[in-house]
Amino acid sequence: GAGVSQSPSNKVTEKGKDVELRCDPISGHTALYWYRQSLGQGLEFLIYFQGNSAPDKSGLPSDRFSAERTGGSVSTLTIQRTQQEDSAVYLCASISAGGNTDTQYFGPGTRLTVL
Amino acid sequence: AQRVTQPEKLLSVFKGAPVELKCNYSYSGSPELFWYVQYSRQRLQLLLRHISRESIKGFTADLNKGETSFHLKKPFAQEEDSAMYYCALRTGTYKYIFGTGTRLKVLA
Repeated sequence: GAGVSQSPSNKVTEKGKDVELRCDPISGHTALYWYRQSLGQGLEFLIYFQGNSAPDKSGLPSDRFSAERTGGSVSTLTIQRTQQEDSAVYLCASISAGGNTDTQYFGPGTRLTVL
Repeated sequence: AQRVTQPEKLLSVFKGAPVELKCNYSYSGSPELFWYVQYSRQRLQLLLRHISRESIKGFTADLNKGETSFHLKKPFAQEEDSAMYYCALRTGTYKYIFGTGTRLKVLA
């Protein structure tokens, strides 16, 4: 079956522009993470969605970052007024139903480059 | 502070040699630790979790609370083990802290 998908795979934008990154989790997965991986760094937690609960947004680095999850499925991460330090790979991961967060299923990532 | 440290960016070993990828953590609660792996041109995936005490692809990892370590070991490295390995600490029920990763190169 299809795994987690993300689009676009690559995005180059100019400083100050807004970008929207998309994540399609595995069907039926109730929980979803967004992570950021800057060059040479580990994965940095950004946000966590679980079912209909309020998301944990504690990892979002600034108010320029926001994320939504519509209908408990597709999620979009929006970065407004992009800065060069936003350049990174953005990873999405989903968790199977039941809530056990041991196994995250990762997408291929979106590589964002801000010029 | 909550932290995961992987001191080696790159580890090169010869095929058949033992491998140990180091991971140290800092966490005041009861730690839950994982190793994730990313093979070339593949996605990041779970390799093993400490609570299962399992051996996956010949790899094992023991949680040492005294030394706050969770090193990943394999007695005989294979070329197909070449990959990027990330140690991860789960704090609470869902939030993860990842290390910066170690690239393992197994040389023929």
